[in-house]
Amino acid sequence: RKEVEQDPGPFNVPEGATVAFNCTYSNSASQSFFWYRQDCRKEPKLLMSVYSSGNEDGRFTAQLNRASQYISLLIRDSKLSDSATYLCVVNTNAGKSTFGDGTTLTVKP
Amino acid sequence: EAGVTQSPTHLIKTRGQQVTLRCSPISGHTSVYWYQQALGLGLQFLLWYDEGEERNRGNFPPRFSGRQFPNYSSELNVNALELEDSALYLCASSKGQLISYNEQFFGPGTRLTVL
Repeated sequence: RKEVEQDPGPFNVPEGATVAFNCTYSNSASQSFFWYRQDCRKEPKLLMSVYSSGNEDGRFTAQLNRASQYISLLIRDSKLSDSATYLCVVNTNAGKSTFGDGTTLTVKP
Repeated sequence: EAGVTQSPTHLIKTRGQQVTLRCSPISGHTSVYWYQQALGLGLQFLLWYDEGEERNRGNFPPRFSGRQFPNYSSELNVNALELEDSALYLCASSKGQLISYNEQFFGPGTRLTVL
């Protein structure tokens, strides 16, 4: 079983749709959590950190459930430019970062 | 503010050769991470350096090694290259291990092809 698991998708949605991604992690000692987006053949870019209280940035909402060991990302009012691969990242205090394999989103006109 | 820089952008080597990749972190960042991303696959953690010391290492053979310099820049060395080492090598930097939410910022990567 992988340490960080994501549904690979692909998720194909129309513009304006709401889409949600989930990510589960197995290491209960995990301390910090992030969502990154990666465009084809480019480097990952930080989308948002995920805090215990949940956080929102415009159309993006991230939540953390430590008891069930999962994090989620909700994208509202999807835009064509949201098409990318979304990576879930989990860090331990030992500095080890584990990336999920990513969920591919395609937003269509 | 300048981002993470990596050099070279592309590299072609043959099996058995050695390669050195370079990374300069964002100013003020003391931690540097290295990742390997083979085509179509996820990121695999290679190495983490902070304040000049190797702090953690992923599940890679010893022919993958590196170092961090006093100015916090870093090198990744790969000896005895194998075909499966062909990948995008990404470097990321962050503010350091004492920061609880140490977001990592990535450079554009070095694309290594081993023939």
